[in-house]
Amino acid sequence: SQTIHQWPATLVQPVGSPLSLECTVEGTSNPNLYWYRQAAGRGLQLLFYSVGIGQISSEVPQNLSASRPQDRQFILSSKKLLLSDSGFYLCAWSVRNQPQHFGDGTRLSIL
Amino acid sequence: DQQVKQNSPSLSVQEGRISILNCDYTNSMFDYFLWYKKYPAEGPTFLISISSIKDKNEDGRFTVFLNKSAKHLSLHIVPSQPGDSAVYFCAASAGTDKLIFGTGTRLQVFP
Repeated sequence: SQTIHQWPATLVQPVGSPLSLECTVEGTSNPNLYWYRQAAGRGLQLLFYSVGIGQISSEVPQNLSASRPQDRQFILSSKKLLLSDSGFYLCAWSVRNQPQHFGDGTRLSIL
Repeated sequence: DQQVKQNSPSLSVQEGRISILNCDYTNSMFDYFLWYKKYPAEGPTFLISISSIKDKNEDGRFTVFLNKSAKHLSLHIVPSQPGDSAVYFCAASAGTDKLIFGTGTRLQVFP
């Protein structure tokens, strides 16, 4: 069966520090991969999605970037975090015409 | 521009009764709709979906209704159980794997 792993579960970072969140998927090949952010009291906002290695589409201009160095690995990064980057970050995967499946998320707090 | 709207941020229902969660959308190109359930500190879990060629889909206690002319869908949970207490997100897509999410409705089922 397919599983998705996302870490860390919680992270507290100072303003201006770098960020790296990692997501890996097991049990499937060539999945679509997604990064979402849920800000407090808001819905899920799609940040990036990828249909293959090295193929990244950005949905909103922001302080973050994404990379897909391997088929089932998706990384969310920032060189310098802002206070507004606080939120709940979710990774998801899907295969064509099937629902997306989410990891358990990372709670990011910027101080 | 919020293409998918959940206008009720919260709903409280007695155990055993019906829960009805509503969702409105503005994009007439949406052809696939999903409901996700989310517990605190966890990622959303896929619940049920419906294609635009249907107006109803049922899975156990969960039924989704789609009214294309009104651009409205609803999720019915019958009978409601305390374990159903969670935040429910509706989502939609338009011929791609990218989902647009609503802001969620918090359902509380009380004894």
